Amino acid sequence: EADIYQTPRYLVIGTGKKITLECSQTMGHDKMYWYQQDPGMELHLIHYSYGVNSTEKGDLSSESTVSRIRTEHFPLTLESARPSHTSQYLCASKRQGGTEAFFGQGTRLTVV
Amino acid sequence: AQSVTQPDIHITVSEGASLELRCNYSYGATPYLFWYVQSPGQGLQLLLKYFSGDTLVQGIKGFEAEFKRSQSSFNLRKPSVHWSDAAEYFCAVAPDSNYQLIWGAGTKLIIKP
Repeated sequence: EADIYQTPRYLVIGTGKKITLECSQTMGHDKMYWYQQDPGMELHLIHYSYGVNSTEKGDLSSESTVSRIRTEHFPLTLESARPSHTSQYLCASKRQGGTEAFFGQGTRLTVV
Repeated sequence: AQSVTQPDIHITVSEGASLELRCNYSYGATPYLFWYVQSPGQGLQLLLKYFSGDTLVQGIKGFEAEFKRSQSSFNLRKPSVHWSDAAEYFCAVAPDSNYQLIWGAGTKLIIKP
C-alpha cells in the first residue's frame, strides 16, 4: 500500500478564495507530481519536482503554484479559485530511478 | 508528438467473461509501457509494466498484457473478470523511467452480474 496522502479528499469553495491542496509521502521519494484529471480525459501533468527547492511546470498550463520545501511535502496552491478550476487533482511520487509512480487518492475540487 | 490512444471509452462484460482493453501508442522507439487501474474514489494503482524482454507480462490481480511492436499496441487482458474489477483503466507510456508519463483517456470497465 502506497504511503502518499492527499487532503482534503473533497472541497467545495467559493470563487475568489485561496486554497491549498496538501500532498505528503512517507517513502522518501525525490520525485513528486501533480496531475489534473477530468472525467473521460487523460491525466495532465501540471507540476513536478525532482527534489527539495526544485519545481517545474508540466505540459498543461495551470494557474496554480507549488512548493517543495521538504522532501515529503508538495502542496499545490490556487491564489484565487475559479469555476474553471473544478477538477480532480492527483498527487504522485516516485523514487529516483524508479519505474512505478505511487498515487494519492486525489482531491476533488468544486469551485462555485 | 507522443500520444496514447485507448479507443474504448467504456466496456461492459459479464462476470466470468474474458476481457481485453486496447491501448495504442505513437512513439518512434519502444517506450516504457504501463497499465494503471483506478477504482471509484481512489488513486491509481500500477497493474503491470513492460520495459523489455518477454512481450507477455503478468501483473497483479490476474491481469496480463501483451506488447506488439508491429501494431504499437499494449493490450490488457484478463481471462475471467470479477465484479471487483469494475474500475477505470489507464494505459501510459514514457520514453524512459525518468521521463513524464503520457496517459490515455482511460477505459471504464462495467461488470454485468
